[in-house]
Amino acid sequence: DAMVIQNPRYQVTQFGKPVTLSCSQTLNHNVMYWYQQKSSQAPKLLFHYYDKDFNNEADTPDNFQSRRPNTSFCFLDIRSPGLGDAAMYLCATSREGTANTEAFFGQGTRLTVV
Amino acid sequence: AQSVTQLGSHVSVSEGALVLLRCNYSSSVPPYLFWYVQYPNQGLQLLLKYTSAATLVKGINGFEAEFKKSETSFHLTKPSAHMSDAAEYFCAVGSSSGNTPLVFGKGTRLSVIA
Repeated sequence: DAMVIQNPRYQVTQFGKPVTLSCSQTLNHNVMYWYQQKSSQAPKLLFHYYDKDFNNEADTPDNFQSRRPNTSFCFLDIRSPGLGDAAMYLCATSREGTANTEAFFGQGTRLTVV
Repeated sequence: AQSVTQLGSHVSVSEGALVLLRCNYSSSVPPYLFWYVQYPNQGLQLLLKYTSAATLVKGINGFEAEFKKSETSFHLTKPSAHMSDAAEYFCAVGSSSGNTPLVFGKGTRLSVIA
């Protein structure tokens, strides 16, 4: 059974139209991450939550926001998508934030901006 | 700051041949090291991890990696490639001190030729 679930798997949005990607987990993990992965590149961390504490990477554009209303759900909001925001967006969780704990990834949402 | 370098963005091997994917790390503290595999349009799946126990780590699907501190390396190997091993492979490093997310390498795409 899937433990980290991302919806939808594929999302098409219009240039400048706000879009929300969702992630849910059944693992009851403390930490949830959002990564952006462009074609043939490594996943790039956008931000992560440790419980309710939000940690934004320094180079994450203001256009990207996140919400974590409870332990199970986390959302990625892109306020005004540009063509350069087309990518695979990966959600991941880990039990703790320490680096020796495994990160579990969802299958990703591929975002297309038209 | 921590980083990993994956040598070779694309590796091609014949079916049944040895697979060797190279990863070198940089870390000012003892590192935790991971290999993840990503199949097309999927999330990342953990293959194996090194967290300061045995230096030779065995993972899933017949893969293993050896931590060599003197060489700052954590190369991934498999004695005999299968067609199903064709995928993108990412090396990642984490810190043994503090809550810091993983840092991924740029990835190596493995092709397996029949």
